Amino acid sequence: EAQVTQNPRYLITVTGKKLTVTCSQNMNHEYMSWYRQDPGLGLRQIYYSMNVEVTDKGDVPEGYKVSRKEKRNFPLILESPSPNQTSLYFCASSWASGREDTQYFGPGTRLTVL
Amino acid sequence: LAKTTQPISMDSYEGQEVNITCSHNNIATNDYITWYQQFPSQGPRFIIQGYKTKVTNEVASLFIPADRKSSTLSLPRVSLSDTAVYYCLVGGDNQGGKLIFGQGTELSVKP
Repeated sequence: EAQVTQNPRYLITVTGKKLTVTCSQNMNHEYMSWYRQDPGLGLRQIYYSMNVEVTDKGDVPEGYKVSRKEKRNFPLILESPSPNQTSLYFCASSWASGREDTQYFGPGTRLTVL
Repeated sequence: LAKTTQPISMDSYEGQEVNITCSHNNIATNDYITWYQQFPSQGPRFIIQGYKTKVTNEVASLFIPADRKSSTLSLPRVSLSDTAVYYCLVGGDNQGGKLIFGQGTELSVKP
């Protein structure tokens, strides 16, 4: 089954404790990205990757890191989480980022930073 | 990058047709218009995409006027299960990978 998977689905952590949220897709997609979703703010792009070893900042990259060492995986790293990073996070993938490329989203990771 | 503006929320009743309009005044020539649907606690999923005029699939229709500065998602005869948030996304090859979703429209369908 074609899908985007994220782990963990739920995470409660404390300020400053490094964490990684994994994202994997099995559709051989070139493009992957991370979003955060907060009430009243919609979906905001954190980082994206056009291909392996190519990553770039989205609209809200501060406090996050990503890597794209393999085509299928795109982990999101919070080196020193803070309470304002409490949010619902979505990973997405597509063939490319341009026209006619629909985004396939993962199920989401709900993160709480105390 | 084309910014989109949608109503924050809409209410409807079962069986009615719902039209959600998205404004995108600075849409670029290469940009396509895509709509996504999101249910609570799930990731958004693709509904429909278009470039100009009208597109129809088994779920919805998308109307795009000649100037392409807006688009309207039409959901025929909604049911309670259509209660969701709907996002309009404008994107194209010239944006280099950055995608900007708007705030979305929260549609509430009542019995």
